[in-house]
Amino acid sequence: DIQMTQSPSSLSASVGDRVTITCRASQGISNYLAWYQQKPGKVPKLLIYAASTLQSGVPSRFSGSGSGTDFTLTISSLQPEDVATYYCQKYNSALLTFGGGTKVEIK
Amino acid sequence: QVQLQESGPGLVKPSQTLSLTCTVSGGSISSGGYYWSWIRQHPGKGLEWIGYIYYSGSTYYNPSLKSRVTISVDTSKNQFSLKLSSVTAADTAVYYCARTERLSSGYPDAFDIWGQGTMVTVSS
Repeated sequence: DIQMTQSPSSLSASVGDRVTITCRASQGISNYLAWYQQKPGKVPKLLIYAASTLQSGVPSRFSGSGSGTDFTLTISSLQPEDVATYYCQKYNSALLTFGGGTKVEIK
Repeated sequence: QVQLQESGPGLVKPSQTLSLTCTVSGGSISSGGYYWSWIRQHPGKGLEWIGYIYYSGSTYYNPSLKSRVTISVDTSKNQFSLKLSSVTAADTAVYYCARTERLSSGYPDAFDIWGQGTMVTVSS
């Protein structure tokens, strides 16, 4: 089974900072990678699919990149409303797997 | 706008079967083109995909839960359901239903619509 590993597990950054979260697949998954944002006490929300395609309505400060085994989610200018846990998820096969999550806080 | 809503008991006794239903509104399960999934989240932990079903009834389950999971669909009621047998405290979690588009490969796409989630506690 393909494992999805996110790093870091948590981070603290200042408003306006550029934030990068990494997701690594244990085997190649092409670009079948999604990113979700889960704010405290809320339902996960799809941010990015196909590794780099922004879901409708998602602010443009969010971007995704990568292919194969290494992927990144970037927040170009961190905002207070971005406090959340972010999850990657692979969907290159019938077996769907999430990464462990990255908790983003404001410094 | 498609919406999903989970329903079911919030408390289940150990060794019993957890049963939840997801009602789909704003769209028809029987129109095809989508997989309908169950996902859970243990308190303070990450997301775990449980399994999904197509309108035809074909299913795919997480191998780690496969022996205890059954997902079924009732197109007449526009609902799909989860049964998880022989539950223990380790099955205490928020359970979400979610939708994914069916890709041309036959595999599911990302989860684009989620229900609000329902907390299920396993305790005597």
